[in-house]
Amino acid sequence: NAGVMQNPRHLVRRRGQEARLRCSPMKGHSHVYWYRQLPEEGLKFMVYLQKENIIDESGMPKERFSAEFPKEGPSILRIQQVVRGDSAAYFCASSPPQGAAKNIQYFGAGTRLSVL
Amino acid sequence: GENVEQHPSTLSVQEGDSAVIKCTYSDSASNYFPWYKQELGKGPQLIIDIRSNVGEKKDQRIAVTLNKTAKHFSLHITETQPEDSAVYFCAASMSFGGSQGNLIFGKGTKLSVKP
Repeated sequence: NAGVMQNPRHLVRRRGQEARLRCSPMKGHSHVYWYRQLPEEGLKFMVYLQKENIIDESGMPKERFSAEFPKEGPSILRIQQVVRGDSAAYFCASSPPQGAAKNIQYFGAGTRLSVL
Repeated sequence: GENVEQHPSTLSVQEGDSAVIKCTYSDSASNYFPWYKQELGKGPQLIIDIRSNVGEKKDQRIAVTLNKTAKHFSLHITETQPEDSAVYFCAASMSFGGSQGNLIFGKGTKLSVKP
């Protein structure tokens, strides 16, 4: 029973490049959340998606950041023209659509982005 | 919007002692309160959660209490062991109908259990 899979685990980019972070939810989960964690800080919500729909993107910066969760394949968090301040750990979580386990979010191991 | 405060930021206990971490939340509409344990270099792992229709929940050495009136909830770890050393995060969210809210996290408590 595979958990939430994120890749890559580590990503190094130079300023101005693009970063693509991938997340495959747990089997049977149709809800995906992305969070960002700065060093010594808690996790900050960025975006909540269901298949082919963005439900809540209130935590995502208006520029350079985008997210998708296509009908087939993983969810993608895309950061264009990265800057040093984007360096952080990005975590994906997934949750089941209904039932007693609704709301429970299971986290992946994260992608640690370093911008040089 | 919701705001979650967590205390203390660091906690050091002797092996076998109890540890208590406290959180307060601001939005009375929040109805789901999970606790996560994060080890170095890993993702958060759910250890226990509680919903607003329950005042207390226990799972072996771990318990969580919720006071809706005061809007605070606490994590209690008894008989601590060195492997309990990690950063612990509380969180709050609200869900209604078919919608599932995002989690608002506290800033974390770094627990150190000394052998």
